[in-house]
Amino acid sequence: DVVMTQSPLSLAVTLGQPASISCRSSQSLVHSNGNTYLSWFHQRPGQSPRRLIYKVSSRDSGVPDRFSGSGSGTDFTLKISRVEAEDVGVYYCFQGTHWPRLAFGGGTKVEIK
Amino acid sequence: QVQLVESGGGLVNPGGSLRLSCATSGFSFSAQYMAWIRQAPGKGLEWISHISGSGSNPYYADSVKGRFAISRDNAKNSLYLQMNSLRAEDTAVYYCARPDDSSITYWGQGTLVTVSS
Repeated sequence: DVVMTQSPLSLAVTLGQPASISCRSSQSLVHSNGNTYLSWFHQRPGQSPRRLIYKVSSRDSGVPDRFSGSGSGTDFTLKISRVEAEDVGVYYCFQGTHWPRLAFGGGTKVEIK
Repeated sequence: QVQLVESGGGLVNPGGSLRLSCATSGFSFSAQYMAWIRQAPGKGLEWISHISGSGSNPYYADSVKGRFAISRDNAKNSLYLQMNSLRAEDTAVYYCARPDDSSITYWGQGTLVTVSS
């Protein structure tokens, strides 16, 4: 099975400052069709997760452009260029390449310093 | 507008059974894979099961295989999860979700299952 490892486990960021979350997979996430199915989700306390990024770097509709995704193969990064108060919560990466055994990372908690 | 609404959660004794439902609207249900994802209190997300639009090829994570059964009724636009032989470690919020292009586009609000005597 593919294991998704996120770091750090938690992150305290000053408002307006950047933040970066790493996600590493135990196997390459490049699909045989050439796509890389790595997504990022954000979950606020008491809410369902919401997708921010799919296929490594494509932003979902309505997601602020301060969020960006990058990476390839087994190493991926979510960056927030300037953290705002509404960005607190837990961020999860997710691999959809190795169907049917799909997997989330363990999560990274973002707080305001 | 896509909507996924779970129901059926509650308190159940260890070894007991529960059936979750997910009522959907706003999309062509029979054409879509559907999935169940759970989240234990204070923990991360776990993909536990999914099923094709036709109802064939169900998948189960090892943690629930042999105890849970996913099904769907395309005439009712509904997804189900029959949970048997429940254990304390099955305590979680269970989300109904719609996968698209190897990601998850839509999530329900979740239903809490508590396994405890």
